[in-house]
Amino acid sequence: DAMVIQNPRYQVTQFGKPVTLSCSQTLNHNVMYWYQQKSSQAPKLLFHYYDKDFNNEADTPDNFQSRRPNTSFCFLDIRSPGLGDAAMYLCATSRESLGGAEQYFGPGTRLTVT
Amino acid sequence: ILNVEQSPQSLHVQEGDSTNFTCSFPSSNFYALHWYRWETAKSPEALFVMTLNGDEKKKGRISATLNTKEGYSYLYIKGSQPEDSATYLCAFNNNAGNMLTFGGGTRLMVKP
Repeated sequence: DAMVIQNPRYQVTQFGKPVTLSCSQTLNHNVMYWYQQKSSQAPKLLFHYYDKDFNNEADTPDNFQSRRPNTSFCFLDIRSPGLGDAAMYLCATSRESLGGAEQYFGPGTRLTVT
Repeated sequence: ILNVEQSPQSLHVQEGDSTNFTCSFPSSNFYALHWYRWETAKSPEALFVMTLNGDEKKKGRISATLNTKEGYSYLYIKGSQPEDSATYLCAFNNNAGNMLTFGGGTRLMVKP
C-alpha cells in the first residue's frame, strides 16, 4: 500500500560526484515537494512542483535541481555534492497547493557524502 | 525567515504517563498548522491539520489545541505507550500556498 516511495533509502556518494534521488507516488497528486533535513534540524523545503510548474525556494543552492517527467515521478539531482549536503531528503505530495492540504511523505533517502 | 520552535527537544516518559509538548509559530499571517508523527525508518505521518483559532482535534489518545492569536499549539498524549515513541513535528503555513515551515521536532521515548 506504499503511496510515496523513495529510492534508494540510503545513498552514499563521493564528494563532487553527481547523484540522483528518486520519488514516486501512487496517489495521483498534483503537487510534489522535496525537503532536506540535516541532523537534528527542522526539515527545510527545497522546491516543489505544481503539475509541471517548478517553484524553487529562494535560498535553495544552485547545486540542487529537480525534474518531474510525469505526475508519478520526481527526481532530485545534486550536481556536485559537498560534505554539507549530507542529510535526509524527504519527498512529499499533496492533492492541491492550497494551504492546509495534507502532505503525504515518503520514508526519505539518507545521503552520505564521503 | 519564519521561526517555528518546538519544545522540549526530547522527552523520556514511562508507559502510562500523559505528556504534552509545544509548538510556537508567528501569530501573523496564519493559515494552517500541521502536526506529524515520524517513527524511525518510516514516513512522517500526518496527525492533524488545524486552521481555526481555538481548534481542538483528537485522534485516539492524541489531541491538539491551537491558539493562533498568541502563536502556539499543544499536542497531548494520554497514557503514553511504547508505540508512541517517535519524533513529533509541527509545521506552519503562513499563506494560502501549502509551503510548510517545520519546527525541529520533539523526540518522545516511552519506556515500558
